Amino acid sequence: DAKTTQPTSMDCAEGRAANLPCNHSTISGNEYVYWYRQIHSQGPQYIIHGLKNNETNEMASLIITEDRKSSTLILPHATLRDTAVYYCIGLQRQGAQKLVFGQGTRLTINP
Amino acid sequence: KAGVTQTPRYLIKTRGQQVTLSCSPISGHRSVSWYQQTPGQGLQFLFEYFSETQRNKGNFPGRFSGRQFSNSRSEMNVSTLELGDSALYLCASSLYGNTIYFGEGSWLTVV
Repeated sequence: DAKTTQPTSMDCAEGRAANLPCNHSTISGNEYVYWYRQIHSQGPQYIIHGLKNNETNEMASLIITEDRKSSTLILPHATLRDTAVYYCIGLQRQGAQKLVFGQGTRLTINP
Repeated sequence: KAGVTQTPRYLIKTRGQQVTLSCSPISGHRSVSWYQQTPGQGLQFLFEYFSETQRNKGNFPGRFSGRQFSNSRSEMNVSTLELGDSALYLCASSLYGNTIYFGEGSWLTVV
């Protein structure tokens, strides 16, 4: 499983785009990049995932560099409810399903 | 479609007792995994079951065990509880090789 590195904390103003970086330089070719977030005292919530191409859904966009060594999660218009810990995880989709969580990034959205 | 359901949500146990936590996966999901979250250690993988077979196990003592039933529902058991077992226990489910979804967790306090 790829080791991921994320900033410990970030701040963003409400209404602005929040850009959360993740370094995963050891990611293997068949590992997907998954993003989850955890709002205090709740279970982790799936946000988005990707392999090579950039992805977008109703929650966020995921930009993966061409060499796949890093990625950025973009919350286009952050709200106070986006305040959470965000985890970037590398996961092989075949075989045993095991997520290895790091410390994540604590994102605070300020009014 | 109902999400991952965990019961009970909150419980208090005494040192030395045992506890059983239950998880109902999303309908159709056959992979069920369990995680422990504590302030000191973060989110850690406990074990994963697929079609009633344990496929992967984390680095936890034998006091932590689990099982999966033919309907994919799962239980985890912790025997001889210790104060350090106080944690949020999270269950997650997935279709084979697809996105993993988490429940809201069971808060266990050992006194």
